[in-house]
Amino acid sequence: DAEITQSPRHKITETGRQVTLACHQTWNHNNMFWYRQDLGHGLRLIHYSYGVQDTNKGEVSDGYSVSRSNTEDLPLTLESAASSQTSVYFCASSPTNTGELFFGEGSRLTVL
Amino acid sequence: AQSVAQPEDQVNVAEGNPLTVKCTYSVSGNPYLFWYVQYPNRGLQFLLKYITGDNLVKGSYGFEAEFNKSQTSFHLKKPSALVSDSALYFCAVRDPDTGRRALTFGSGTRLQVQP
Repeated sequence: DAEITQSPRHKITETGRQVTLACHQTWNHNNMFWYRQDLGHGLRLIHYSYGVQDTNKGEVSDGYSVSRSNTEDLPLTLESAASSQTSVYFCASSPTNTGELFFGEGSRLTVL
Repeated sequence: AQSVAQPEDQVNVAEGNPLTVKCTYSVSGNPYLFWYVQYPNRGLQFLLKYITGDNLVKGSYGFEAEFNKSQTSFHLKKPSALVSDSALYFCAVRDPDTGRRALTFGSGTRLQVQP
């Protein structure tokens, strides 16, 4: 079955370190998204991509970057991790026309 | 800008009773509306969506939602709640007129169904 997978599922890191969260989908969806989930805020959009070599900033993009070199993968990089980036991160993908997003299981990141 | 409000942080209901989880939205054009459910330590699962057509939309696990354009609402409903429905529910909106394909989510409502 097609799916979307995130790794690692749990990570603890230190302030100032670079961290990369991986997202891989096998649906061949053009659209991919990164959200973060924090209590009281729901899900907030970090970055998104509509296809290979396309990346766009969401509402909370400061301190994060993404790259899209193929259809399947959209890795999220925290250039210099900060304690405010402690969160649960969700990757999602969608086909162009139907609208609904399909989510991965999440990556819980703790920055000490 | 598009936005979603879920006015209740938590909804408590007894098993077997009907449940409603409220959602209101704001977009400039005609909205695409969605409901998702999240169980502990899991990703979000799609329940149902409204794109166009019948205002009453039926989805997974016996859930349904009613689109009300005049009240800009999209409340989630179920005629008879189950303990297994206890979870976190998110409403989301997309404004197709903007060309933006990302969804904007509400802050979530925790549904607690008591046996």
